[in-house]
Amino acid sequence: DTGVSQNPRHKITKRGQNVTFRCDPISEHNRLYWYRQTLGQGPEFLTYFQNEAQLEKSRLLSDRFSAERPKGSFSTLEIQRTEQGDSAMYLCASSLSPETVVFFGQGTRLTVV
Amino acid sequence: GESVGLHLPTLSVQEGDNSIINCAYSNSASDYFIWYKQESGKGPQFIIDIRSNMDKRQGQRVTVLLNKTVKHLSLQIAATQPGDSAVYFCAENRYNQGGKLIFGQGTELSVKP
Repeated sequence: DTGVSQNPRHKITKRGQNVTFRCDPISEHNRLYWYRQTLGQGPEFLTYFQNEAQLEKSRLLSDRFSAERPKGSFSTLEIQRTEQGDSAMYLCASSLSPETVVFFGQGTRLTVV
Repeated sequence: GESVGLHLPTLSVQEGDNSIINCAYSNSASDYFIWYKQESGKGPQFIIDIRSNMDKRQGQRVTVLLNKTVKHLSLQIAATQPGDSAVYFCAENRYNQGGKLIFGQGTELSVKP
């Protein structure tokens, strides 16, 4: 499978714990995006990378959130001190350029209890 | 503010009928749109895209129409099948902002056998 891969698919954590998600984009894609989706809503943009450079962060990305793409390949999204409001589907996507189709992974479903 | 929205939250059709899902946008400068299908618990799946230099684009059983005058686009699915049941999103690709996507809320399509 050469699509966007995300791990884990599901994560249940206690409030206050830290969690980290991983995304492996399509191999030749230099653009990588993170989105968050809550029930009944469309995905909301969080941040994106061009190669290893993080070029934009949404206001939704509080200081408890950090994303990295150290070698310009896979990316991680870490949430520190999780809150119940962080419960959502976290989607990773990638594209070859800003003017081409964006492909999504299957997402990581986070539940904070 | 700028947004991308959908006309109806739900749509129910009989198997074999054609489905039409509508989407309105507010930014007259928007010129690249992508339709996604999202099944329960999965990430958005690319269906078809269209740029503003086109009024119509066809794929396998799907057609997207773009009316720039009234800032409206639609997704037509021919001979709708039970496997088409999902939530459908139109998204504006803001390639001048790194290719981030602005999604509407989605239309849930239910296909009755």
